[in-house]
Amino acid sequence: EIVLTQSPGTLSLSPGERATLSCRASQSVNSRYFAWFQQKPGQAPRLLIYGVSSRAIGIPDRFSGSGSGTDFTLTISRLEPEDFAVYYCQQYGSSPLTFGQGTKVEIK
Amino acid sequence: QVQLVQSGAEVKKPGASVKVSCKASGYTFTGYYIHWVRQAPGQGLEWMGWIVPSSGDTNFAQKFRGWVTMTRDTSITTTYMELTRLTSDDTAVYYCARGDVLTGTDYWGQGTLVIVSS
Repeated sequence: EIVLTQSPGTLSLSPGERATLSCRASQSVNSRYFAWFQQKPGQAPRLLIYGVSSRAIGIPDRFSGSGSGTDFTLTISRLEPEDFAVYYCQQYGSSPLTFGQGTKVEIK
Repeated sequence: QVQLVQSGAEVKKPGASVKVSCKASGYTFTGYYIHWVRQAPGQGLEWMGWIVPSSGDTNFAQKFRGWVTMTRDTSITTTYMELTRLTSDDTAVYYCARGDVLTGTDYWGQGTLVIVSS
């Protein structure tokens, strides 16, 4: 099983600032099958990024993904008020599918 | 538009079973997997398994083998997840999600809260 470890656990930032979220895998991930999700309280996760760097339908370009092998990054270039949420990374290239434990982006 | 609509909240006693449904619309039902993911209160996301609607083939995470069943009814584009021998640790929101080869779990249901309490 591929274990995904996200850091930091919580990120305290102000609107307009840049957010950088990290996800490290316990073994190499097939880069075609790596994703990021956003989840707000009481809502289902929402796909932001798939295939490491491709934005899902309707996702603004302030969200970008990068990385390969075991290290992946989600960057939010300028935080908007609606971006404060919990973010999860996921690998879906090998079974079982696994998620990171989440990074909470909170308003400073 | 792609939609996955799940059944409503359930309250069950320990030892009972629960069956959650997920109705798909807006796409070719047999062309995509359906995954099930759960989230305990205040916790992260846990993948349970998937079903292939065209064949009924299933694959489960190790911890769920033997006590979770996934089925489908193609005539009504609905998949089902049944969890047996419930304990309080199974209290969670259960999500279904469409699975695409490239985009992964791209569309999600609204979630179904299952509470296990005596």
